[in-house]
Amino acid sequence: QSVLTQPPSVSGAPRQRVSISCSGNRSNIGKNAVNWYQQLPGKAPKLLIYYDDLLPSGVSDRFSGSKSGTSASLAISGLQSEDEADYYCAAWDDSLNVWVFGGGTKVTVL
Amino acid sequence: QVQLVESGGGVVQPGRSLRLSCAASGFTFRNYGMHWVRQAPGKGLEWVALIWHDGNNQYYTDSVKGRFTVSRDNSRNTLNLQMNSLRAEDTALYYCVRDRTRSGTGSASFDYWGQGTLVTVSS
Repeated sequence: QSVLTQPPSVSGAPRQRVSISCSGNRSNIGKNAVNWYQQLPGKAPKLLIYYDDLLPSGVSDRFSGSKSGTSASLAISGLQSEDEADYYCAAWDDSLNVWVFGGGTKVTVL
Repeated sequence: QVQLVESGGGVVQPGRSLRLSCAASGFTFRNYGMHWVRQAPGKGLEWVALIWHDGNNQYYTDSVKGRFTVSRDNSRNTLNLQMNSLRAEDTALYYCVRDRTRSGTGSASFDYWGQGTLVTVSS
């Protein structure tokens, strides 16, 4: 059971917008930045969003992040087939002194 | 360009030891915190360990405390993970990961990942 809670799967048609939620508590998301990672099938994860809502260089602006209180969200607009992947949220937990991940969300393009 | 290349994985019996290494290049290694993150077959990501840029602090997930030791050699640009008393549940692909910051805590993030080295614990 992961410390951060994500839905196991989300799906959408091409060009639609989907969002993935990530729920934590005051010790992790409530106090520290949330990061999002994309893992394409058979590949290593890649940093997608850092510091809640910042995009690393080279990441498409179709991806966006937000945070409110102890929850965060990743949105993908203009969904494309290449977005089919697993997405993970992560944050540092000040009480446990560990990094915690969500269980991952599989995005399917219909 | 940043490169992280893991090595040392393999098949090992329960209770035995294994040492993973990660060769870093393309950046000033001593300026960055480093992590090990693992992924069991068909499962999600699990953070394992963190070491500060200067090696002065280490953090571990509870399930490996007392069994795993993370270390680094900044003169050789190498990150290591000594794994003792291995269990079946340690079976996973182990990733070497660079942090965006020196400490790797708080508002840090994992900005570069290696391709991983597979550890299989089985009798």
